[in-house]
Amino acid sequence: AQTVTQSQPEMSVQEAETVTLSCTYDTSESDYYLFWYKQPPSRQMILVIRQEAYKQQNATENRFSVNFQKAAKSFSLKISDSQLGDAAMYFCAYRRKGGLHRHQETSGSRLTFGEGTQLTVNP
Amino acid sequence: EPEVTQTPSHQVTQMGQEVILRCVPISNHLYFYWYRQILGQKVEFLVSFYNNEISEKSEIFDDQFSVERPDGSNFTLKIRSTKLEDSAMYFCASSELSPRGGSSPLHFGNGTRLTVT
Repeated sequence: AQTVTQSQPEMSVQEAETVTLSCTYDTSESDYYLFWYKQPPSRQMILVIRQEAYKQQNATENRFSVNFQKAAKSFSLKISDSQLGDAAMYFCAYRRKGGLHRHQETSGSRLTFGEGTQLTVNP
Repeated sequence: EPEVTQTPSHQVTQMGQEVILRCVPISNHLYFYWYRQILGQKVEFLVSFYNNEISEKSEIFDDQFSVERPDGSNFTLKIRSTKLEDSAMYFCASSELSPRGGSSPLHFGNGTRLTVT
C-alpha cells in the first residue's frame, strides 16, 4: 500500500520569504502522480500543483514549485515570496497511474494524503 | 468556474440516526468521490463511483455507508446508524475523464461538517 508522510506538522515563514514543505512517500509503482493541496480555514481543498512521476522536470506554478526526487521518493513544495493568503494547511497526496479503467489513466483511482503541514505566514 | 457544491455545510445528528450528505459534482465530470477528515487528522478516502457503480472503496467504507446517484446531478453519501466516531468533515469530489498521458485533477467541494451527539 502506498503511504505519504509529512514530517513537519507546523511551519512558519515571514511574508515575502521562501519556505519549503517536505513530503516523502512509499510506493512500488514506477509511474504515478503527486499533488500538493491547500486547505485554508474555509476547509476547502484547493489543488496547488501536480507532478507526473515520469517527467524529470520539476513542476512550477507561479510562486509554487516542487523538488521531485524520484529515487529518494521525496516531493517538497517551495513557496516563494510568501503572502498572507498562503497561510493554510498543506497536504501532499499520491495517486497511482493506471486506474481500474485502464484505458483512462488514473481515472477514478484514490488520492492518498499525508498528515498535513500547517503553514503560518507572519507579517 | 464550475464548482462542486455540498449541502448542508453543517449537519448535527444524534447517535443512531441516519444522515444523507448531498453533493452536486461538476456537470461534465464522470468520476465521483467521498473523502472524510476527522478533526486534526489526515484526509481519508472513502469511495469512488463511476458509471453508476462503486469503483473502489476503502476499509472505512463498510456496510454502514452507501452512495447513490439518484438523478443526473446529485451524488449522495448515506450513513446509517451514526456513531460518535463518524463526526468529521466529509468532502465530495469529482473529476473528468483523464486525457491520455494526463491526470484529471479532483475538484473538491467545501465539505459538510457532520457532528454526531
